[in-house]
Amino acid sequence: KAGVTQTPRYLIKTRGQQVTLSCSPISGHRSVSWYQQTPGQGLQFLFEYFSETQRNKGNFPGRFSGRQFSNSRSEMNVSTLELGDSALYLCASSPGDRKETQYFGPGTRLLVL
Amino acid sequence: GDSVTQMEGPVTLSEEAFLTINCTYTATGYPSLFWYVQYPGEGLQLLLKATKADDKGSNKGFEATYRKETTSFHLEKGSVQVSDSAVYFCALVPGGTSYGKLTFGQGTILTVHP
Repeated sequence: KAGVTQTPRYLIKTRGQQVTLSCSPISGHRSVSWYQQTPGQGLQFLFEYFSETQRNKGNFPGRFSGRQFSNSRSEMNVSTLELGDSALYLCASSPGDRKETQYFGPGTRLLVL
Repeated sequence: GDSVTQMEGPVTLSEEAFLTINCTYTATGYPSLFWYVQYPGEGLQLLLKATKADDKGSNKGFEATYRKETTSFHLEKGSVQVSDSAVYFCALVPGGTSYGKLTFGQGTILTVHP
């Protein structure tokens, strides 16, 4: 089975721009979660989608948004980029039950200049 | 709120040494507990997990036991290899209806020398 894929792998943007990241889950998985990883804050949960509905949300400003499509693929968007948004963005997929393992993609590394 | 605390790193060991990375947690209900490993430039890989008290997760020589009385999930390996050098994260999913949200510890950098 193919793993979780994320595109693009690397991205450079300037302050004020917006960016869209994409995540394709493992086939059959209906839940996609997004995380931000930075050296200072570590790994922080952004949000989770299941069957096109956001089920859970972390403590990030409204500039961070996401969506999920009917094929379970998910996108995350960050508007009005700030320098502090530079990070590795990871998505993870799972079948959907709370206790099931989340499988992570390789991440998208975003640099904001 | 929910939280995970890992021992301070980095940890430096010689090959074949014994490894322990401490992890304690605070969570509502009955959480599921995980150890993930991250190699340079890669995403996180599941190392092992336990979903209820006294469960022991194991994989590739690594073990961890879910101890509810001490709220701990310490990672151990009897004989480490150079290839085990990576960052290790302890994580939990809380009880209740908190879907899809892993709460992570700060990570422990492990370096193994030949």
